Amino acid sequence: GESVGLHLPTLSVQEGDNSIINCAYSNSASDYFIWYKQESGKGPQFIIDIRSNMDKRQGQRVTVLLNKTVKHLSLQIAATQPGDSAVYFCAEMAENAGNMLTFGGGTRLMVKP
Amino acid sequence: GAVVSQHPSWVICKSGTSVKIECRSLDFQATTMFWYRQFPKQSLMLMATSNEGSKATYEQGVEKDKFLINHASLTLSTLTVTSAHPEDSSFYICSARISLYETQYFGPGTRLLVL
Repeated sequence: GESVGLHLPTLSVQEGDNSIINCAYSNSASDYFIWYKQESGKGPQFIIDIRSNMDKRQGQRVTVLLNKTVKHLSLQIAATQPGDSAVYFCAEMAENAGNMLTFGGGTRLMVKP
Repeated sequence: GAVVSQHPSWVICKSGTSVKIECRSLDFQATTMFWYRQFPKQSLMLMATSNEGSKATYEQGVEKDKFLINHASLTLSTLTVTSAHPEDSSFYICSARISLYETQYFGPGTRLLVL
């Protein structure tokens, strides 16, 4: 079936550096994408979303890029801080999937001081 | 932003007892609420979707008689784990959304430990 997957299960970066977390999706009909951050023992926290009519969206220190041609989504975190350490999930939604969120497997971001 | 709460945060119970978990949208009305289950180091697995005033839709493999879901109002959904067993121990997370193409906002999760 269709799925959302991640290239890197663990990403370790130095504090202050930029982080890039990648996500590949396979449902070409997906038209809404969300990045969530989950800290240990907590529920997922919404970070940023993007619809398929856009290829870039910026938030505070975060940018999401969408490449529909290769079905790729990325989350860029500028000036990564220790508080950014968490597991990051991408999620997609498509009408042909019942408008339900499908989650990727997650990437753990570890920020080294 | 939208806030979703869950209660309790932690619950430890004996095998065979039933546990009720509440999910509330605090500052918005949620037409749809979702219940997920998450095992350590794994992604979220959707258990069921509930719309206010109607029966929940369960994902394949989820026992509806074991995981009872009630969505009595636009701000409250409950998940009852009936006759809980150790294998039901997990992290249960709810989410809520306002309308079909709105973002889902997640609760803080409830950790269930069945002894």
